[in-house]
Amino acid sequence: DAGVIQSPRHEVTEMGQEVTLRCKPISGHNSLFWYRQTMMRGLELLIYFNNNVPIDDSGMPEDRFSAKMPNASFSTLKIQPSEPRDSAVYFCASSPRGTSGSHEQYFGPGTRLTVT
Amino acid sequence: AQTVTQSQPEMSVQEAETVTLSCTYDTSESNYYLFWYKQPPSRQMILVIRQEAYKQQNATENRFSVNFQKAAKSFSLKISDSQLGDTAMYFCAFMKRSGNTGKLIFGQGTTLQVKP
Repeated sequence: DAGVIQSPRHEVTEMGQEVTLRCKPISGHNSLFWYRQTMMRGLELLIYFNNNVPIDDSGMPEDRFSAKMPNASFSTLKIQPSEPRDSAVYFCASSPRGTSGSHEQYFGPGTRLTVT
Repeated sequence: AQTVTQSQPEMSVQEAETVTLSCTYDTSESNYYLFWYKQPPSRQMILVIRQEAYKQQNATENRFSVNFQKAAKSFSLKISDSQLGDTAMYFCAFMKRSGNTGKLIFGQGTTLQVKP
């Protein structure tokens, strides 16, 4: 079992550039989450998909952030244009939410984003 | 809105001893889940233990156990026979069970140092 896969692991970019973070959830999981971790704000949910459909995007900071899930095995989080305050660790997590009652979220290794 | 509070920013314990990490939460929900996640220096988020609010019995996973006090809205984590590999930041998290949300709400974290 490969776990949640995220790429890249590290990203350094200049202010104003577009950044795309990628996530492959665990096979068979039907829910996917994007979180951001910063020293100031801790861990916060950005967006949540269930069966590829965005359910809750209230945590997306502003229009510069967008997320897609074109199929059950792939999701992207895009920042355009990036700003230094977007520097953080971005986690993707997946969950087998369903009638089984299992609600654990399994996290990927994270992408450390630095915007200079 | 739900909140999760971890009042101990840092703790330390001698190897082989027992330590308890505190967590309190605030919610008007009656049905929910509580989790403890571990984040070692590798920054990978690892699920340690899960508690369902409707279960009175405290969850246990090997050396990890919880003391769940629903009326007091308290959810502490006890680590027995501490090992050097337990050194990490520990996050308490809350999730509503009802509705279509899988949002995890995290506390600020407690950094645990296990000393040889």
